[in-house]
Amino acid sequence: SQQGEEDPQALSIQEGENATMNCSYKTSINNLQWYRQNSGRGLVHLILIRSNEREKHSGRLRVTLDTSKKSSSLLITASRAADTASYFCATLFSGGYNKLIFGAGTRLAVHP
Amino acid sequence: GAGVSQSPRYKVAKRGQDVALRCDPISGHVSLFWYQQALGQGPEFLTYFQNEAQLDKSGLPSDRFFAERPEGSVSTLKIQRTQQEDSAVYLCASSLVPGLAGNQPQHFGDGTRLSIL
Repeated sequence: SQQGEEDPQALSIQEGENATMNCSYKTSINNLQWYRQNSGRGLVHLILIRSNEREKHSGRLRVTLDTSKKSSSLLITASRAADTASYFCATLFSGGYNKLIFGAGTRLAVHP
Repeated sequence: GAGVSQSPRYKVAKRGQDVALRCDPISGHVSLFWYQQALGQGPEFLTYFQNEAQLDKSGLPSDRFFAERPEGSVSTLKIQRTQQEDSAVYLCASSLVPGLAGNQPQHFGDGTRLSIL
């Protein structure tokens, strides 16, 4: 079974708007990672946030982590049509190997 | 090549046949993972190798599934006596360092789409 749940399941926005996706998880983690998957392709790593970090930025991406609420959010600012993809959060359990547990993903559509 | 390579990209098999899926990880990557991704879902962990050692196979759904990485580089996922519920995309990923030492990303191949008729 999958660890996390993303919210919303699907998101449709216009170019230039911001997109926010949320992820909740169930157990203690070592880190949380966000991945993007274009249709028919593998996953591409976007950003990793450690359990002792609260916020991280990478280009147009901003990730927050609230371990007390067991939740994370991914914000994509000034979205582009090329951002259209599925986005997954994945958690690395404390005490495990690099065994990532993925949520079901948010399908983002950015319209020109 | 620079990335993780998987072959074949597509595989169609009849129920009951055996299939073998190949993964070429990034050169020098110690860790190798297999995931199964059903349509519209996130990847689900199948098994993990550290070099040639299979350290975690807790995600393999049945004893029909077998994975190996005999020389610590290329890996093969074999499914025997395939069933329709085995239809999915099988993703391979590799990372540079083993175990918890990785606050390292995993690098994914484009997967093999398996369809069982």
